[in-house]
Amino acid sequence: AQKVTQAQTEISVVEKEDVTLDCVYETRDTTYYLFWYKQPPSGELVFLIRRNSFDEQNEISGRYSWNFQKSTSSFNFTITASQVVDSAVYFCALRSGGNNRLAFGKGNQVVVIP
Amino acid sequence: EAGVTQFPSHSVIEKGQTVTLRCDPISGHDNLYWYRRVMGKEIKFLLHFVKESKQDESGMPNNRFLAERTGGTYSTLKVQPAELEDSGVYFCASSRWGETQYFGPGTRLLVL
Repeated sequence: AQKVTQAQTEISVVEKEDVTLDCVYETRDTTYYLFWYKQPPSGELVFLIRRNSFDEQNEISGRYSWNFQKSTSSFNFTITASQVVDSAVYFCALRSGGNNRLAFGKGNQVVVIP
Repeated sequence: EAGVTQFPSHSVIEKGQTVTLRCDPISGHDNLYWYRRVMGKEIKFLLHFVKESKQDESGMPNNRFLAERTGGTYSTLKVQPAELEDSGVYFCASSRWGETQYFGPGTRLLVL
């Protein structure tokens, strides 16, 4: 079985603050893939990052960074110096078990206050 | 390159009526997926096409839902008859085999 937990439902931050979104996953498979998607107010799901289980290297893309730790089954996402445009729902997702279907967490609603 | 498109963007129907949702994948993507998000819950997988064949339909909730992908291009998802609990956002995604799924904007369905 595959499961993704995003415990924080809604997070409000003041512009320029950093915000970290937690993602904890469960799978029995040794090969799996983790994803983050962003859903802005317009509604579409925008792909942000994909990481496979054999690559624990952290990644930085502009103000976004991801911390993958297999020891704690976590794939956390940090937005540095948040901006109003970062206001969105962020979903963590897992693909494992040899099939292509994604298991999503419930999402984190991020509100950046100007 | 055009992204995944979905039609309509919104649909409001009465219980018992039929609704058909359409998804056009990214050109060259053989894999097409349907997902659904019911209010306040997770986005849940419905099914996966590889070209015109159903690869995995383990997430389809019941036989009121019928998905087709004739010719392996666009796909339709029909709900007949619609029930109140079918309300939600229906997302379509496409990908090459094993690669990242790119999502459409979703269809917001409200059943009254």
